[in-house]
Amino acid sequence: GENVEQHPSTLSVQEGDSAVIKCTYSDSASNYFPWYKQELGKRPQLIIDIRSNVGEKKDQRIAVTLNKTAKHFSLHITETQPEDSAVYFCAASRGGGSYIPTFGRGTSLIVHP
Amino acid sequence: NAGVTQTPKFQVLKTGQSMTLQCAQDMNHEYMSWYRQDPGMGLRLIHYSVGAGITDQGEVPNGYNVSRSTTEDFPLRLLSAAPSQTSVYFCASSPLGTGVSRDQPQHFGDGTRLSIL
Repeated sequence: GENVEQHPSTLSVQEGDSAVIKCTYSDSASNYFPWYKQELGKRPQLIIDIRSNVGEKKDQRIAVTLNKTAKHFSLHITETQPEDSAVYFCAASRGGGSYIPTFGRGTSLIVHP
Repeated sequence: NAGVTQTPKFQVLKTGQSMTLQCAQDMNHEYMSWYRQDPGMGLRLIHYSVGAGITDQGEVPNGYNVSRSTTEDFPLRLLSAAPSQTSVYFCASSPLGTGVSRDQPQHFGDGTRLSIL
């Protein structure tokens, strides 16, 4: 089955800095890669996703890049703000009927004012 | 739309007790799933369903049962609670897309915080 590794487990930055979280996956058939943000005590919520036919996607201060050859994808947050502090999860899934996303273990991002 | 609704929000059980965690969605999503979240372990899939009458096991199914009699509801049953089942449980749903967009984002409920003494 799919295996998703996520690094780092904890990331501490100063407000205004950039943050990068990286994930690798094992199943070359995976074609959908969402990222979720979970604030303390809240539900995970989708912040951005990318499909295998796209190499990069941006939404304001966040972007995701995908390298299918190397089987890794990354979340980039620019101009970080204290409200970006949360746990971020990457996931990978394949179509064709399985519809089962595999999640990384999460990255705790701390943005210091 | 209420989205995904989980009840109860908190529960304390004694070892050996049984209970059912409820999950309902009003978005007519085909796909529903249950995850448990433990510190440092991410979200681990317990059971999932791709439609009414169809269920399958995930990564950590032991000690849990599910059923899917309707599109809306997907209850999770703990058969005989054990301290190792102390966790936060999330129910999620997603639609089944088509073509290159078959996989769709998961919509999560607010979670059930379960403690087993």
